[in-house]
Amino acid sequence: DIVMTQTPLSSPVTLGQPASISCRSSQSLVDSDGNTYLSWLHQRPGQPPRLLIYKISNRFSGVPDRFSGSGAGTDFTLKISRVEAEDVGVYYCMQATQFPTFGQGTKLDIK
Amino acid sequence: QVQLQESGPGLVEPSETLSLTCTVSGGSISNYYWTWIRQPPGKGLEFIGYIYNSGSSDFNPSLKSRVTISVDTSKNQFSLTLSSVTAADTAVYYCARGTYTRATDYWGQGTLVTVSS
Repeated sequence: DIVMTQTPLSSPVTLGQPASISCRSSQSLVDSDGNTYLSWLHQRPGQPPRLLIYKISNRFSGVPDRFSGSGAGTDFTLKISRVEAEDVGVYYCMQATQFPTFGQGTKLDIK
Repeated sequence: QVQLQESGPGLVEPSETLSLTCTVSGGSISNYYWTWIRQPPGKGLEFIGYIYNSGSSDFNPSLKSRVTISVDTSKNQFSLTLSSVTAADTAVYYCARGTYTRATDYWGQGTLVTVSS
């Protein structure tokens, strides 16, 4: 199994300030087809997760451009340029290069 | 707009079989893969398995011996069975759609299944 490790596990942020979450995989996520199948999801309390980013850096339909993804190989980052109140919740990275696995989640809340 | 809805019993007795169905509306079940993911109360997400509309599938190695996923294209539904359940299988069970980008783009609301006598 590919193990996904997120840091930090908890991130208190100030509204309007940036936030960043890191995700590291136990092995390279570059597939034999040349693609890297790393996505980011956001889960608000009591809600199902929703897709934010796929294939490292592609925003899903309707996702605000304050969200951006970057990285390569085994190290990936989700950035929020200016945190808004609706961004609270838990963020997960997920790899699907091999059988899908999730990071343990990073809880984002407002200071 | 694609929508997914899980259905099935909310309470299953230990050692019995958990059975859930996901109904897909607003889009075809073809050309995607269909997944089951679960989340124990207060914990993170665990991928259970997925199936393509062709019928090919794959499962979490830790659950493989107990899991079956099937698809009924005529009803736009896919189903999960998990046998020999224990309290450790208590979780919110989500169905979700997977795409060629291998991301899960649409999710059901989830259904809580409690394993208890």
